[in-house]
Amino acid sequence: DGGITQSPKYLFRKEGQNVTLSCEQNLNHDAMYWYRQDPGQGLRLIYYSQIVNDFQKGDIAEGYSVSREKKESFPLTVTSAQKNPTAFYLCASSSRDGSYEQYFGPGTRLTVT
Amino acid sequence: AQKVTQAQTEISVVEKEDVTLDCVYETRDTTYYLFWYKQPPSGELVFLIRRNSFDEQNEISGRYSWNFQKSTSSFNFTITASQVVDSAVYFCALSEAGGGGNKLTFGTGTQLKVEL
Repeated sequence: DGGITQSPKYLFRKEGQNVTLSCEQNLNHDAMYWYRQDPGQGLRLIYYSQIVNDFQKGDIAEGYSVSREKKESFPLTVTSAQKNPTAFYLCASSSRDGSYEQYFGPGTRLTVT
Repeated sequence: AQKVTQAQTEISVVEKEDVTLDCVYETRDTTYYLFWYKQPPSGELVFLIRRNSFDEQNEISGRYSWNFQKSTSSFNFTITASQVVDSAVYFCALSEAGGGGNKLTFGTGTQLKVEL
């Protein structure tokens, strides 16, 4: 089955630790995205990548980093510099053409205490 | 800058009622795309529909229908004969065409609760 996988579903970390969230897709999509969702709010774009070895900051990139070494994978690192890291993180992918919809993974709920 | 407004934070209906979810958008582009996504309690966003700015035809898919009106910058979503399984958060989103990639701007979502 084609789709997007994110692991783990739930993640707990202590404040001050970096944590990496996994995102893998087998849809052969060129573009991948990371969003953050807070309670009662819409999704906000953190980073996106249109092609391997290239990525751009979204609206709330501070405190996050990404890499795109393979077409299928787009991991997100939440660094200790992110002031409010507790949130629901969603990964998505799409064809590069702007007309195509994004398909989302199941999300990772990160809790930092 | 583009913006999507979903003024209805939460809607409660009784099963079999019709319900309309409102979406108003702002963009300076003449070419853009509008989307609706459903987010059930599990959290994963499910794509429902895409509409481009040049196609103002309304669309119907089973119990779902969408009304796109450029004159009022609205892209409303109607569920006919609602069911408990329709309970979810629904997001409207906007994407501008061009070389900036397929960046989506989301509204804040409407929580729909369908009760027996």
